[in-house]
Amino acid sequence: QKEVEQDPGPLSVPEGAIVSLNCTYSNSAFQYFMWYRQYSRKGPELLMYTYSSGNKEDGRFTAQVDKSSKYISLFIRDSQPSDSATYLCAMRVLNDYKLSFGAGTTVTVRA
Amino acid sequence: DTAVSQTPKYLVTQMGNDKSIKCEQNLGHDTMYWYKQDSKKFLKIMFSYNNKELIINETVPNRFSPKSPDKAHLNLHINSLELGDSAVYFCASSRTTGDSGNTIYFGEGSWLTVV
Repeated sequence: QKEVEQDPGPLSVPEGAIVSLNCTYSNSAFQYFMWYRQYSRKGPELLMYTYSSGNKEDGRFTAQVDKSSKYISLFIRDSQPSDSATYLCAMRVLNDYKLSFGAGTTVTVRA
Repeated sequence: DTAVSQTPKYLVTQMGNDKSIKCEQNLGHDTMYWYKQDSKKFLKIMFSYNNKELIINETVPNRFSPKSPDKAHLNLHINSLELGDSAVYFCASSRTTGDSGNTIYFGEGSWLTVV
């Protein structure tokens, strides 16, 4: 079993829909939780990060962390074709350099 | 001006060859990384250097050898290439861990194909 599990999709939604992505993990020591976006043939770029449990909002993006369930989510509201990409969750232990990634979910937003 | 740049972007080579991928960051970061992304898009850390010192060395064949001549550079040398080494290799950098250590900046990737 991988340390971080993420459904690879693919996920296809119409423009304007809410995109819901999630990851589960097994290591209860994880404290920082991140979401990266990766366009085709590009490197991952950080979208959001959350420390410990709770919600964080940034524009159309909302990240949620439920440490009791070892479950994290990313919601994209009013999705746009430009949101079409692979979304990777990542997490790490406090004071550790190593990030553990999920496999990534490929999202297509249809115009 | 690219923050994390790596060369070459594409590399096709024969089994048994030795090749290098170079990486440079102009962000003033003190930690650099090499990640490998396989065909299923799974990203896995290989190495990390902090101030030119190796701090992470995951279970990677010793045919892979990182070299950090200074804080801004981290190169990856691969000996005796095998078919299974075909992947995308990402260089990345960040500040020392802590809150800002979450912001890891990735390069554009180097697509290695071994034939």
